[in-house]
Amino acid sequence: NAGVTQTPKFRILKIGQSMTLQCTQDMNHNYMYWYRQDPGMGLKLIYYSVGAGITDKGEVPNGYNVSRSTTEDFPLRLELAAPSQTSVYFCASSSGVRREPNGELFFGEGSRLTVL
Amino acid sequence: GNSVTQMEGPVTLSEEAFLTINCTYTATGYPSLFWYVQYPGEGLQLLLKATKADDKGSNKGFEATYRKETTSFHLEKGSVQVSDSAVYFCALSDPDTDKLIFGTGTRLQVFP
Repeated sequence: NAGVTQTPKFRILKIGQSMTLQCTQDMNHNYMYWYRQDPGMGLKLIYYSVGAGITDKGEVPNGYNVSRSTTEDFPLRLELAAPSQTSVYFCASSSGVRREPNGELFFGEGSRLTVL
Repeated sequence: GNSVTQMEGPVTLSEEAFLTINCTYTATGYPSLFWYVQYPGEGLQLLLKATKADDKGSNKGFEATYRKETTSFHLEKGSVQVSDSAVYFCALSDPDTDKLIFGTGTRLQVFP
């Protein structure tokens, strides 16, 4: 029961570097999400996808890009890393929050990114 | 727009104390309401949910009732344990999309 798997768990980047956070799920969920969690700020939605080939912006998309070529994978790309992107990133998947049985989001364990 | 407001933390309690974490929401339409819990070093996991007014969600001794008249979904537990120490997030589903809107989280610390 792998669920949602994120890699890497930790990463330190220099300003201006680029990297990709990987996310894969084995539950055949159509919906996938990327959130960032800043201290005291809750979770902010970066990007989401309602199915392979379809992505859309969330609240805080600037500085990020995503793709969804398969149902399983939803990588998040950071271009030209900035200190403001220091955060914990969570990937999640769902069969759809408005759908039964319970609209639950399943989260990965998170990726802690520091930009220096 | 749709939003969720939670009480500030941390909430510090002794074991077996009664817990209330307040959550109020603003939403158009009829959202579903959720409580998620995040244990140290882990991702969030669903604790309970309610999909319509007056529904009560419950799990692991925690309860929350969807109150439309007060736009609230307060989390309660009659007797907390040290193992309940975690961050608790209230969330609502945007009625028009498949997105969840989260509150800022409330850290609960339970001491023996």
